[in-house]
Amino acid sequence: SQTIHQWPATLVQPVGSPLSLECTVEGTSNPNLYWYRQAAGRGLQLLFYSVGIGQISSEVPQNLSASRPQDRQFILSSKKLLLSDSGFYLCAWSPRDGQPQHFGDGTRLSIL
Amino acid sequence: GQQLNQSPQSMFIQEGEDVSMNCTSSSIFNTWLWYKQEPGEGPVLLIALYKAGELTSNGRLTAQFGITRKDSFLNISASIPSDVGIYFCAGLPFTGNQFYFGTGTSLTVIP
Repeated sequence: SQTIHQWPATLVQPVGSPLSLECTVEGTSNPNLYWYRQAAGRGLQLLFYSVGIGQISSEVPQNLSASRPQDRQFILSSKKLLLSDSGFYLCAWSPRDGQPQHFGDGTRLSIL
Repeated sequence: GQQLNQSPQSMFIQEGEDVSMNCTSSSIFNTWLWYKQEPGEGPVLLIALYKAGELTSNGRLTAQFGITRKDSFLNISASIPSDVGIYFCAGLPFTGNQFYFGTGTSLTVIP
């Protein structure tokens, strides 16, 4: 069966520091991968999605970037974090476009 | 992206009561999904609906794909404390390839 892993589960970072959140999927190949941000426990905002290695679509211009160096690895990064980057970040995968997405357990990011 | 209208925003109910929530859109959708999210965790897929009028159950949960293709409904029968969480709908537009998510319904069950 397929599983999705995100880490770390929680992260506290100072303003201006870099960020790297990692997500990996097991048990499937060439999945669609997604990064979402969720503010205040509601409303999922799609940040990035990828249909293949090196292919990244950005939904919202912001201080973040994403990369997909391997088929089942998706990384969310920032060079300099802002206070407004605080939130709950969720990674998800789906077999292909139009198929239900399955979410990881999320990373709680707090910026001080 | 577009947000679906989900109602109610929050519900406080007594254990044993039935729960109804819905999700509406101004566009026609091909697929409706319902997720549950517990505090500190990611959403978990509960039910997927693929045809207008389809009625699907998962234990005490029943979801329906609206006939107009612009709405979906989720019912929970005989609620229990572990039903607490935020319930999200998600829809796939007829002309799109990515899901839009609702704003969530927060459910609190009072023992």
